Amino acid sequence: QAQMVESGGGVVQPGRSLRLSCAASGISFSTYGMHWVRQAPGKGLEWVALIWYDGSDQFFAESVKGRFTISRDNSKNTLYLQMNSLRVEDTAVYYCAGGPNTSGPTVWGQGTLVTVSS
Amino acid sequence: QLVLTQPTSLSASPGASARFTCTLRSGIKVGTYRIYWYQQRPGSFPRYLLRYKSDSDKQQGSGVPSRFSGSKDASTNAGLLFISGLQSEDEADYYCAIWYTYTWVFGGGTKLTVL
Repeated sequence: QAQMVESGGGVVQPGRSLRLSCAASGISFSTYGMHWVRQAPGKGLEWVALIWYDGSDQFFAESVKGRFTISRDNSKNTLYLQMNSLRVEDTAVYYCAGGPNTSGPTVWGQGTLVTVSS
Repeated sequence: QLVLTQPTSLSASPGASARFTCTLRSGIKVGTYRIYWYQQRPGSFPRYLLRYKSDSDKQQGSGVPSRFSGSKDASTNAGLLFISGLQSEDEADYYCAIWYTYTWVFGGGTKLTVL
């Protein structure tokens, strides 16, 4: 069945960088738009970024624009999130999620925790 | 004013029905959008339940029971999620979402208590 497995989370100091990965299986990855969605401790869901199925376009939340980049490798069924200039307020569980074509996210991973702290 | 507004909490009894609302900001017409609904049980990741734009444009998530359904109320400019025959396992947070001006927007979520 469809599965997304995130990795790369951890503790990082403010101003530093971190790269998250998401390995997908059980879906036709190259036809799925892929998202990153985050959830700060005790808070609701916040959409972070989207990349089109073919990587031709990317969209970002204002809160991360200019600091985060999203990319994918369809040959490896893998999604990435490069996070630069991290801030304390970026602390959250980061979920990878995908949806066919231009659909919203319908398949979700279990998440990886990113903690930004000095 | 937020793009999507959801009540913070809702409570209902086992076997009863629950109605969730997701109100779009004034000027954003509910009829234009596919509204997505997600369930997040405590300690778990979000699960896609369904999307609803109209009776001819709707989708049930894989494995989601038919007692979960979607609708809209144009008079209040809101998307609706209904759960019938409430069970204890339905106790969770429920989020709505739309694709709006090239971003995905989530509502703040409604916590359902089944008691």
